[in-house]
This record gives sequence, structure tokens and C-alpha cells, in this order.
Amino acid sequence: DADVTQTPRNRITKTGKRIMLECSQTKGHDRMYWYRQDPGLGLRLIYYSFDVKDINKGEISDGYSVSRQAQAKFSLSLESAIPNQTALYFCATSDTGVPGELFFGEGSRLTVL
Amino acid sequence: GIQVEQSPPDLILQEGANSTLRCNFSDSVNNLQWFHQNPWGQLINLFYIPSGTKQNGRLSATTVATERYSLLYISSSQTTDSGVYFCAVANTGTASKLTFGTGTRLQVTL
Repeated sequence: DADVTQTPRNRITKTGKRIMLECSQTKGHDRMYWYRQDPGLGLRLIYYSFDVKDINKGEISDGYSVSRQAQAKFSLSLESAIPNQTALYFCATSDTGVPGELFFGEGSRLTVL
Repeated sequence: GIQVEQSPPDLILQEGANSTLRCNFSDSVNNLQWFHQNPWGQLINLFYIPSGTKQNGRLSATTVATERYSLLYISSSQTTDSGVYFCAVANTGTASKLTFGTGTRLQVTL
């Protein structure tokens, strides 16, 4: 089984619908991240969490919210999905100390019609 | 913020060839990572290398921090090396500030 698991792996939804992407990890890392990847672009950080009580906005947080339910679980929500949120979403984890190497989940492909 | 530029944007190689991918960055860094995204979208961490040289099998990486660039070497390329290679940098030790480049897309043909 993967160390960082994302569900669903693929989702097609309609404009205005609420959608949640879930991430769970077995690496024992405190730090978790949500990234978005668009075709031809690198990854951009949406939100990150350093522990259960710590949530921080990333570069592109507008239109998204997150919940850190436990050390091992970090979910991303789109309250009212719009077509330009169609993208590949990645959850990642890193250890607390330096160097902060990132370990990614397998990705969730979201299409908003 | 730090600007990251990767070159070349696209690269086609025959199996067995060697290649060098470059990552230039605009400011001093103390966190630099190389990732491989395979054709199925999976992202794998290849190296954490803010300075110096590391090797892992047919892959090696060198970062010259004072000159603000990093190189990823792929020797004796195989079709499984195909995909996109990303460089990500930060001027802090934590991953939360990593800025990703737009990647080099590599295709290895038979």
C-alpha cells in the first residue's frame, strides 16, 4: 500500500457542487500539504499544516478549504466547484525537521464541468 | 519570491543516451529537491540536494549553490525514465516554501 493515499483518484463533478478530496498517510509525518498541478505548469501550494492545530494558506488558497482531522489525515474541500479548478491535486507529507523532503500521494484528477 | 527556470523544456532521447537537465534559481537556497513525475502522474522524490553532489544508480545531481544552479544527470537512459522532471527550491529549510519549476519533459525512445 502507498504511504500517502488519496481518494478519490478521479472525480468528475458539476459547477457549484461541493467536493472533498481526502488524504491519509502512514509515514508518521507531522507536516501535510495540498498542491495543485495544471498542464504545463509546476506545482502550486494550496494549503499546508504543520500539526493538527496548525493550518496555513499557501500560494493559491482562494476557493479551497482544508481540515486536519488527525495527524494522518488532511482533506481538501471545494465548497462550490468551478471549471477553472479542473486540475490534478496532490497531497504530500514531510518530516518535521530539515530537510523537509516531500513525499507525494498518487494524485486526484478533478474535472469540473 | 524565488524564480526557478528549468531547461530544456522538452527532450527526446534514444535509449542508452545520456542527458543533463538544468535548474537555475534566482536567489540563495537551502532546500532544493528534484522530482520525477512518471507518465501516470506519480511524483517521486529523487534527490534532496541544496549543495554538493549525490548519486543514486544511473541518476546523479549536482548543485552549485554559489552560482545558483543544479544539474540532474541521467546516464544510459531507459524508457522508464520518461516523464517530467521538476526542480523545487526554497530559501528556508522547510518544504512549505518550495517553489517548483515548470519541468523538463523527457521522452526516451527505443
